This record gives sequence, structure tokens and C-alpha cells, in this order.
Amino acid sequence: SYELTQPPSVSVSPGQTASITCSGDKLGDKYACWFQQKPGQSPVLVICQDGKRPSGIPERFSGSNSGNTATLTISGTQAMDEADYYCQVWDSSTVVFGGGTKLTVL
Amino acid sequence: QVQLQQSGPGLVKPSQTLSLTCAISGDSVSSNSAAWNWIRQSPSRGLEWLGRTYYRSKWDNDYAESVKSRISINPDTSKNQFSLHLNYVTPEDTAVYYCARESSGLDYWGQGTLVTVSS
Repeated sequence: SYELTQPPSVSVSPGQTASITCSGDKLGDKYACWFQQKPGQSPVLVICQDGKRPSGIPERFSGSNSGNTATLTISGTQAMDEADYYCQVWDSSTVVFGGGTKLTVL
Repeated sequence: QVQLQQSGPGLVKPSQTLSLTCAISGDSVSSNSAAWNWIRQSPSRGLEWLGRTYYRSKWDNDYAESVKSRISINPDTSKNQFSLHLNYVTPEDTAVYYCARESSGLDYWGQGTLVTVSS
């Protein structure tokens, strides 16, 4: 089965750029999506199809995907961006999630 | 605006069947451009996709290999909802269960239901 690997944690200072990576075999050949999840809440889609932002998602969220790595970039990170982030792809007809990355804004 | 409202018991005994329902508003379970998913989340397994139901001229399903032998996901067009049934549950099935629409990605999620498997 297909596997996605994320770093368990990433730290960033307010106003700086946060980058969260997601690795998988030939990941760049697939569409990657990213979710934000805050404690006690359902996941929220923030980026999909490599770079598209759903309505209501701030422009500071962007995504890229090439080779074996997809990256979620948060520019000008704010305290409200502190959350768990999950990458996700489709493999054949199934949905695969990464293990998640806890973003700390300090 | 699409909304998904989950309902179902929060406690299930081992070996019994876990059943949850997801009521849809703002879209149709019979949509030709959406699929309707169940996903669960636990500390040990993270986010785990369980399966989906969708209509493309006929109804079809996809299921995760890990639960394929004991899962069914069924649409109910009369109530515009879909359901999850997971048979022969064990404590390892304890998790928060989510329903989600798949259109432009998994773009709308239900509120989540904590299901505990315990006697």
C-alpha cells in the first residue's frame, strides 16, 4: 500500500514562513491535498490538486508537488495557524493520508 | 453551502455492528460529481480512509483493504443520506468517525462522532 511520510513537528516564529513536507514514491505524479485540523475540530481542506485553495482559505497558504515531495507553505504565519496538518493523495481508487505534522507557532 | 450531519451511537459492544448515518444538505447523495466517504481517526492509526459510495449511472463503492471484509457503505436517496456499517468490531475500532464529501477534494466534513468499542 502507498505510504506518505510527514515530519512529526515543525516550529515557526510569527510572521515567518512555515514549510511542511510530505514524502512518497513518485508523489509528484499524483494530486496532493492538505488539511488543517485544530483540537476538537474536523479537518479543513486548505490546498488541493497541488495548489488550489478552496473558497475562504487565506492566500498565505500555498502548495507545490514535485518528484517525491509535496510541500505546504504558509507565508506570514499567524498564531491562528497553529494546528495539525495532514497531506493526502489518491492511490488507485483509495485515499491515503500522511501521519500528520504539528505546527507550533512560537 | 454543503452541510453533513452525523448521527449514531457513541458506544458499541465488541463483536457487534457499528452503524452511523450522515445526512446531507446542500447537495445530493445521487450527484454524478461527488462521492461520499467515511474516514476515522485514532491516536494509534491517525486519519484512516474507510470507503466511499457514489453514483455514476449506477451505484458503486470502494473500500479500504483493512476493513473490506466487514464494511458496507449505503446510500439512502429517500432521505438524502448515507450510512456506515462496520461489523464485528473490536476495541481497535475505537475512533472518531467522520463522513466527508469528495468533489474538489475532500471538501466538506461532518462534525465527527466518537465511537468507543467496549463491553
